[in-house]
Amino acid sequence: GEDVEQSLFLSVREGDSSVINCTYTDSSSTYLYWYKQEPGAGLQLLTYIFSNMDMKQDQRLTVLLNKKDKHLSLRIADTQTGDSAIYFCAERGNNNDMRFGAGTRLTVKP
Amino acid sequence: KAGVTQTPRYLIKTRGQQVTLSCSPISGHRSVSWYQQTPGQGLQFLFEYFSETQRNKGNFPGRFSGRQFSNSRSEMNVSTLELGDSALYLCASSRLNTEAFFGQGTRLTVV
Repeated sequence: GEDVEQSLFLSVREGDSSVINCTYTDSSSTYLYWYKQEPGAGLQLLTYIFSNMDMKQDQRLTVLLNKKDKHLSLRIADTQTGDSAIYFCAERGNNNDMRFGAGTRLTVKP
Repeated sequence: KAGVTQTPRYLIKTRGQQVTLSCSPISGHRSVSWYQQTPGQGLQFLFEYFSETQRNKGNFPGRFSGRQFSNSRSEMNVSTLELGDSALYLCASSRLNTEAFFGQGTRLTVV
């Protein structure tokens, strides 16, 4: 099973904020990532955060990291229908491998 | 700047055959990693190459192998294909151990 856990589904209304949560288990992880995957496509890097930071903001995206609880979240402000996709949380371990969660399917309703 | 290029995009093979997938990383990136994505197992790490050397390997059988060339392009090979090898194979390229950019993937179907 995955070392990284995410809820599988999230549904929001267009214009609302979306918050996707993730927990990881490796306290020595150096970087944590959020990727977006649309049907039939590869993974698009949305943002990443170094483990010594607790917040990173990039336009509509805000990443929060609680290292004590090993909890990572991605907030998407003003969610649009084009944001509908699967969102993956990932951690980079000491061996440089990346471990992914199962993905959260975000559905944005008009 | 060109992104990560994977070829081919789609492949259909029969059980017992072998297959070679190719990945061209972003220019200047020396690290290439491979992942297998399936509905049942999600995204799983296969291996990582850096400067032509395998630096790390996931928990896959020896039928899965790879290599990296001096221009950082990488290939992965799967021998004696099984039905369960049907998956989307994704390649990621990194300059340092920070961002990892993925290609569009190669969808392999084994029949």
